[in-house]
Amino acid sequence: SQTIHQWPATLVQPVGSPLSLECTVEGTSNPNLYWYRQAAGRGLQLLFYSIGIDQISSEVPQNLSASRPQDRQFILSSKKLLLSDSGFYLCAWRRRGGNTEAFFGQGTRLTVV
Amino acid sequence: AQSVTQLGSHVSVSEGALVLLRCNYSSSVPPYLFWYVQYPNQGLQLLLKYTSAATLVKGINGFEAEFKKSETSFHLTKPSAHMSDAAEYFCAVSDDGGTSYGKLTFGQGTILTVHP
Repeated sequence: SQTIHQWPATLVQPVGSPLSLECTVEGTSNPNLYWYRQAAGRGLQLLFYSIGIDQISSEVPQNLSASRPQDRQFILSSKKLLLSDSGFYLCAWRRRGGNTEAFFGQGTRLTVV
Repeated sequence: AQSVTQLGSHVSVSEGALVLLRCNYSSSVPPYLFWYVQYPNQGLQLLLKYTSAATLVKGINGFEAEFKKSETSFHLTKPSAHMSDAAEYFCAVSDDGGTSYGKLTFGQGTILTVHP
């Protein structure tokens, strides 16, 4: 069976510090991978998606970047965090080819202080 | 482009009452539609999905949803609410056509409160 791991679960970082959130998927190959951010009352905003190694697309301009160094590894990064980067970050994967659902990790609660 | 509108950011019902959470979608091609549930500080869990087969879809925990193309709707219902149903619910759409790369577009979410 497939599983998705996302860590850490919570993180408190000072403004201006770097960020690295990691997500790995097991039990499948060549998945589509996604990073979402969730702010209270604002639903889920898609930040990045990837259809393959080193193939990253950004949905919105922001202070964050993403990388996919391996097929089942997706990393969200920042060189210098802003207060506005606080939120709940969710990684997800989906099989190629259509009518399947996305599977989500447990999320990371990031607080920038 | 695809979009989802969830009518009502908060819905409150009594235990045992009908639950109705509304979702309308916009998609340029026949859509795939999903309902997810989220408990505090957790990821999203799939409740049910519509993938162009039966228009009435049954999911987990007694939930179901009906796809109505003429109304571009995919409302979520449950005949009798339980306290454990209290959570936030998200409707999502994916058209998986063209260059969408399987992206799911989510609604703003509806927080369901269940009163004893």
